Formats: sequence, structure tokens, C-alpha cells
Amino acid sequence: RKEVEQDPGPFNVPEGATVAFNCTYSNSASQSFFWYRQDCRKEPKLLMSVYSSGNEDGRFTAQLNRASQYISLLIRDSKLSDSATYLCAVRPYSGTYKYIFGTGTRLKVLA
Amino acid sequence: EAGVVQSPRYKIIEKKQPVAFWCNPISGHNTLYWYRQNLGQGPELLIRYENEEAVDDSQLPKDRFSAERLKGVDSTLKIQPAELGDSAVYLCASSLRTDLNTEAFFGQGTRLTVV
Repeated sequence: RKEVEQDPGPFNVPEGATVAFNCTYSNSASQSFFWYRQDCRKEPKLLMSVYSSGNEDGRFTAQLNRASQYISLLIRDSKLSDSATYLCAVRPYSGTYKYIFGTGTRLKVLA
Repeated sequence: EAGVVQSPRYKIIEKKQPVAFWCNPISGHNTLYWYRQNLGQGPELLIRYENEEAVDDSQLPKDRFSAERLKGVDSTLKIQPAELGDSAVYLCASSLRTDLNTEAFFGQGTRLTVV
């Protein structure tokens, strides 16, 4: 089993739709979680960190479910510009500070 | 503030040839990462440095790959000899080791094509 798993998609949704992605992780000791956005042929850029209590940034909401070991990203009112690959990253706390990435989920927002 | 700088942006080489990539992290970032990203996949860690010390290189194919971070700032990643399967994007990232929620910042990457 991979340490971090995501559904690769693609998720094709119409403009204005709400879409959600999940990301599961295998290390129960993991402490830090992130969602990155990667546009085609570009580097990953941080979208948002995921806090234990959940957090929201405009149309984006991130949540953590420790019991089931997954994080989620909800995008409301999708825009064409949201089309990208969304990577989740987990930073296991075992005295190390490395980021383990999932394969990414491709989102296409259609006009 | 300047971000993570990588060069070259693109490299095409013939198999069995050597190749080197260079990375300059964000000023003050003590942790530096080299990732490899294949098409349709997420970044996979090759090696991680804390200052000048390589603290995690378990995923680095040591028979052909080498890396160094002299003086704990810039880093180079070398492949010798390159194989067709090494074609990928090589991403450098850096972060501050201050707290658990510190993010990693990526450079634009070097796209390597081995022919």
C-alpha cells in the first residue's frame, strides 16, 4: 500500500459545481497535511495547509479525519481557472521533516 | 523574495551521458529536497538535506545518482550514466525546519529527456 493515495481522476465538472477530493494516508503518526495545486508543466504550489479543526479559504475547504486517516478538499462554485492537478502531501512526524506526495487528482472544469 | 531557482529548465541528452542539475534554495531555508516527478505521478523524494547533511537518501539510486550540498546552500544532483527511464522532471524544494506546518516551496524544475 502506498503511503499517500489519491484518486487520479480526471474529475470533469461544470462551472459552478462543487467537487470534493479525498486523500488517504497510511502512517497514523502523520502530523502535517497539505494540499498543493499543480498546473500543467508547472511546479506544485501550496494551496492550503490542513489543520485538525478544518480550515477554509474562500471557495476551498480542507478537512482532516484522523480516525479514518484521510484529508479532503472541497471546492465550491468551481471556476475554469480551478482546472489543475491537486496533490496532497503528508509530513510524517517521526523526527523527520519530509513531504510525501500522492499521485494527484486531475480536475477539469468545463464551460 | 526570490524563490527556489533551478537550472537548466530543460535538458536533452543521449543515454549513457552524464547530466547535472543545480538548485539554489530560498535564503535561510535549511532543508533542501530533490524530487523526481514522472508524467501523471506525484513528486517522489530522492534525497533530503538538513543543512549540508544528507539525512534521507533511501530513494536515491546510488549506482548512478549522486548529490551534494556544499556549504549547506546550493545543491547539485548528478546522473551518470543516464538511462532512458530517467526521463522526468527533477524538482528541487526547500523549507524552514521550524514547525510541523511549514510548507515546502518548489523550484520550476528541470525537465530531462534521455534519448
